[in-house]
Amino acid sequence: GENVEQHPSTLSVQEGDSAVIKCTYSDSASNYFPWYKQELGKRPQLIIDIRSNVGEKKDQRIAVTLNKTAKHFSLHITETQPEDSAVYFCAALRGNQFYFGTGTSLTVIP
Amino acid sequence: EPEVTQTPSHQVTQMGQEVILRCVPISNHLYFYWYRQILGQKVEFLVSFYNNEISEKSEIFDDQFSVERPDGSNFTLKIRSTKLEDSAMYFCASSPVGYTFGSGTRLTVV
Repeated sequence: GENVEQHPSTLSVQEGDSAVIKCTYSDSASNYFPWYKQELGKRPQLIIDIRSNVGEKKDQRIAVTLNKTAKHFSLHITETQPEDSAVYFCAALRGNQFYFGTGTSLTVIP
Repeated sequence: EPEVTQTPSHQVTQMGQEVILRCVPISNHLYFYWYRQILGQKVEFLVSFYNNEISEKSEIFDDQFSVERPDGSNFTLKIRSTKLEDSAMYFCASSPVGYTFGSGTRLTVV
């Protein structure tokens, strides 16, 4: 099966700085990699995703990069704001099943 | 924007009792999923459902779990004899567009 690892588990940044969260996956058959933001007690919300035929995708302050050879993908948040504080999960889709990372608790300090 | 809706939002049940968690997926989606999240841990896959049958299930999804699509709109997860360790947030999701999670049902087994 697939194994997704996510680092770091916690991350604190000053408001305005950038945050980077990294995930690795093990199965080269995985072909879709979404990132979810989960605020306390709420559902995971899709914030950005990337398919295996694309190397980078950007949406305003959020970007995701994918290195298929190395089997890792990263979430980049620039100009962080306090409302970015949440738990972020990466996932990899293999077949019909998503495999989630263990989450990164991001705190943006005003 | 279409949403996946789940009921109830919170359910408390006694150990050994049966519970049914309900989900209404997005109407034109074809794949339906159940995930669970034990407090503070990552989201874990339970089961996927397509064309009125289970397409994939995890090792968590043992004989005490079952899923059903009793009519054209609802998708249910039944836990036959709940255990304390079944206490978690249960998320329904549907796809293919963006993989939308429901708001979750917090199940507390006492």
